[in-house]
Amino acid sequence: GQNIDQPTEMTATEGAIVQINCTYQTSGFNGLFWYQQHAGEAPTFLSYNVLDGLEEKGRFSSFLSRSKGYSYLLLKELQMKDSASYLCAVRGNYNQGGKLIFGQGTELSVKP
Amino acid sequence: DAMVIQNPRYQVTQFGKPVTLSCSQTLNHNVMYWYQQKSSQAPKLLFHYYDKDFNNEADTPDNFQSRRPNTSFCFLDIRSPGLGDAAMYLCATRSTGESQPQHFGDGTRLSIL
Repeated sequence: GQNIDQPTEMTATEGAIVQINCTYQTSGFNGLFWYQQHAGEAPTFLSYNVLDGLEEKGRFSSFLSRSKGYSYLLLKELQMKDSASYLCAVRGNYNQGGKLIFGQGTELSVKP
Repeated sequence: DAMVIQNPRYQVTQFGKPVTLSCSQTLNHNVMYWYQQKSSQAPKLLFHYYDKDFNNEADTPDNFQSRRPNTSFCFLDIRSPGLGDAAMYLCATRSTGESQPQHFGDGTRLSIL
């Protein structure tokens, strides 16, 4: 079966660092994406990993270990506007349409 | 400027009354997707087009249909909406290439009376 697991919710303090974990079990693996989704809005693309290791993009970094079926999104210097849902999504078996399997999302609350 | 545009942002329809949601894109992307997303849940893929090739998900109800008359436009038709179809409907596009992400529109929130 196809399964993506993320914590349902997390709370962190403004200015701190938070790590959101994602584990996956899919038929094949062709890349992992992280999206940010504010309430009532569309998901926006944050990062893409297909090889093991860390990808850094400003305050956000994403890590992948394919052998462990594991990824995390690291958010540094948290700001209030980072309060949102963070979706982990995996492209499983190669498919022409690039379909993604989404996790349920981690609701992050940033407190002052 | 918005690149994936969904209209309307909010749609109210009556139980059983057909409704059409629209999506347009200025990105000239090959692939277009329709997702249904209910509160606090993951987006659920309904179907996608790769160019003109239509790909339906196995668990998408027959009540949901789609049309893609050209590269820029894609429509979601709900033939007889039920109360369980109230949700946010998201359109996304993507160009070919393994690393290319999906780009989402702002969504249409559908309410059923």
